[in-house]
Amino acid sequence: QKEVEQDPGPLSVPEGAIVSLNCTYSNSAFQYFMWYRQYSRKGPELLMYTYSSGNKEDGRFTAQVDKSSKYISLFIRDSQPSDSATYLCAMTDSSNTGKLIFGQGTTLQVKP
Amino acid sequence: GAGVSQSPSNKVTEKGKDVELRCDPISGHTALYWYRQSLGQGLEFLIYFQGNSAPDKSGLPSDRFSAERTGGSVSTLTIQRTQQEDSAVYLCASSFQSGGYNEQFFGPGTRLTVL
Repeated sequence: QKEVEQDPGPLSVPEGAIVSLNCTYSNSAFQYFMWYRQYSRKGPELLMYTYSSGNKEDGRFTAQVDKSSKYISLFIRDSQPSDSATYLCAMTDSSNTGKLIFGQGTTLQVKP
Repeated sequence: GAGVSQSPSNKVTEKGKDVELRCDPISGHTALYWYRQSLGQGLEFLIYFQGNSAPDKSGLPSDRFSAERTGGSVSTLTIQRTQQEDSAVYLCASSFQSGGYNEQFFGPGTRLTVL
């Protein structure tokens, strides 16, 4: 079983829909939680970062972390066709390496 | 400023050949990471450099894989005697420092195809 589980989709929604993406994890040492967005044939780029449990909002994006359930979510409001990409959750512990453990990524398509 | 760059962007090779993949991190970033992204596997950590040292090589899949970093800057990932299962996108990332959380900036990747 992978340390981080993420449904690969694909997920297809109409423009303007609310999108919910999520990941579960097994390692209770994870402290830092990230969402990366990756467009086709590009490298991942950081979208949101959260430390420990709680919510964080940035424009149309909201990240939630529930450490008690080992569950993280990303919500996208008023989704746009430009949001069509692969979304990767990633997490790391407080060790010195900082290496990221990624979910498989969810492919999202927002249809006009 | 310039981001992380990788070369080549695409590499097609024959089974059994050796390949070298290059990463130029963001200037001043002391930490450098290599990841591999293959279909159905997501992004997997390969190796981490702090300066020129590699304190964590735990993700290298076999002894055919090696990496080095020189001058605290450029890194090269070498795959010897390539196999078809090595086909993947190899991504490099750098961060200002390691430990706790430091944003990792990714390059565009090298797409390796082993025939």
